[in-house]
Amino acid sequence: EAGVAQSPRYKIIEKRQSVAFWCNPISGHATLYWYQQILGQGPKLLIQFQNNGVVDDSQLPKDRFSAERLKGVDSTLKIQPAKLEDSAVYLCASSLGAGQIQETQYFGPGTRLLVL
Amino acid sequence: GDSVTQMEGPVTLSEEACLTINCTYTATGYPSLFWYVQYPGEGLQLLLKATKADDKGSNKGFEATYRKETTSFHLEKGSVQVSDSAVYFCALSDPQAGTALIFGKGTTLSVSS
Repeated sequence: EAGVAQSPRYKIIEKRQSVAFWCNPISGHATLYWYQQILGQGPKLLIQFQNNGVVDDSQLPKDRFSAERLKGVDSTLKIQPAKLEDSAVYLCASSLGAGQIQETQYFGPGTRLLVL
Repeated sequence: GDSVTQMEGPVTLSEEACLTINCTYTATGYPSLFWYVQYPGEGLQLLLKATKADDKGSNKGFEATYRKETTSFHLEKGSVQVSDSAVYFCALSDPQAGTALIFGKGTTLSVSS
């Protein structure tokens, strides 16, 4: 079974530029998560989708971050304009989406972003 | 709000030594508890989980017991191997806060032969 795919793996941009990350979840997984992992910290939720609807975006900095999940499959996370403090690893995860808190989340390899 | 606190690393051990990584949590509801592991160059993967008090999760020789009275979920292994070198994350999912995971800061384990 193919895992969660993310691209690009690495990205270096200047501050105030824009950047987009792509995620393809495991086939059949209804729930998709984007987490931000700053160096030395654990991942923190940015946004959660159930199919193509947003479940939780309370921690997404909406003045600069946006995300979409068209057709309930792939998802794109965008930052515009980027700030230095956005340097982090952006992780995508998916789960079956039956709404159970004990569901296993499967993580992609992440996109490492460096903002200069 | 909910939170997870785990012991700071790095933890450095010799092969075959015993391992304990402490993890405590605060939660509004009755959470499920997880340990995720990140091996060098790889993504996060589930190591084990427990969903109710006194449950013991186990995998690859690692164990953790859900202790509601002490709000803890310590990770243990009786004999570590070099291949266990990785970053370990304790996490919870709280029904009062949805299914997203709340992670600790991670503990780096380095095992030498």
